[in-house]
Amino acid sequence: SQTIHQWPATLVQPVGSPLSLECTVEGTSNPNLYWYRQAAGRGLQLLFYSVGIGQISSEVPQNLSASRPQDRQFILSSKKLLLSDSGFYLCAWTVGGATTRTQYFGPGTRLLVL
Amino acid sequence: GENVEQHPSTLSVQEGDSAVIKCTYSDSASNYFPWYKQELGKRPQLIIDIRSNVGEKKDQRIAVTLNKTAKHFSLHITETQPEDSAVYFCAASSFGNDMRFGAGTRLTVKP
Repeated sequence: SQTIHQWPATLVQPVGSPLSLECTVEGTSNPNLYWYRQAAGRGLQLLFYSVGIGQISSEVPQNLSASRPQDRQFILSSKKLLLSDSGFYLCAWTVGGATTRTQYFGPGTRLLVL
Repeated sequence: GENVEQHPSTLSVQEGDSAVIKCTYSDSASNYFPWYKQELGKRPQLIIDIRSNVGEKKDQRIAVTLNKTAKHFSLHITETQPEDSAVYFCAASSFGNDMRFGAGTRLTVKP
C-alpha cells in the first residue's frame, strides 16, 4: 500500500531564516505531487504541483519554491521566511496519469514563523 | 480556472439530526468531486467522492448529490454523532492538477 511521509512534523523558525520541508511517497511510481498551505482556521491553498522529476508548476507567486529531485520526493523551500509563511503545510499525492484523481494527504508540517 | 464556494462556513446540529453542506463550482468541465474531513490538527481524509456520470452516491450515513446543470453538489450526513464534528472540505477537478477546494465547513455535533 502507499504511504506518504512529511517531516519535520513541527517547526519554529525566525523571520528571515531558510526553510526546507520534505515529502516522500512509498509504494507507488511516478505520482503527481502537491504542496498545499493551510492558514489557521482556513482552507487549502495549492502552492505547487509536479507531474514528474524536475517538473514544477507554481500556482501563486510567493517567496517559496519547490523541487522534485527524485520520483517520490518533493521538497518545499524558502530562502527567507516571512511571518505570513506560518501555517500547516500539507503534501499530497495522486496516481499519475490515471483517471482517478483522488488526492491523499500526508500528516503535514506545522510551521510557526516568529 | 475553477472556483469552488462552500456553505455554510459553520454548522451546529444536535446529535441524531442531519447535516447538509453545499458547494458550487464554476468550471463546467469539472467532473470529479471529492469530500474531505479534517479533524483538529490532522490531515484531510477523503470520506466520499462522486464523478459527473453519477447523480448520487451513498456510503452508510454519508451521501453526496450532484447537479451538473446547476453546478452544485452537496454532502448529507444523517444520524449525526459527536465524532462527526470536524471541518469538511469539498473540491472540484477536471483533470487532477486543477483541483480546487472550498473554504471549509466547521461542523459541530452537540451531544
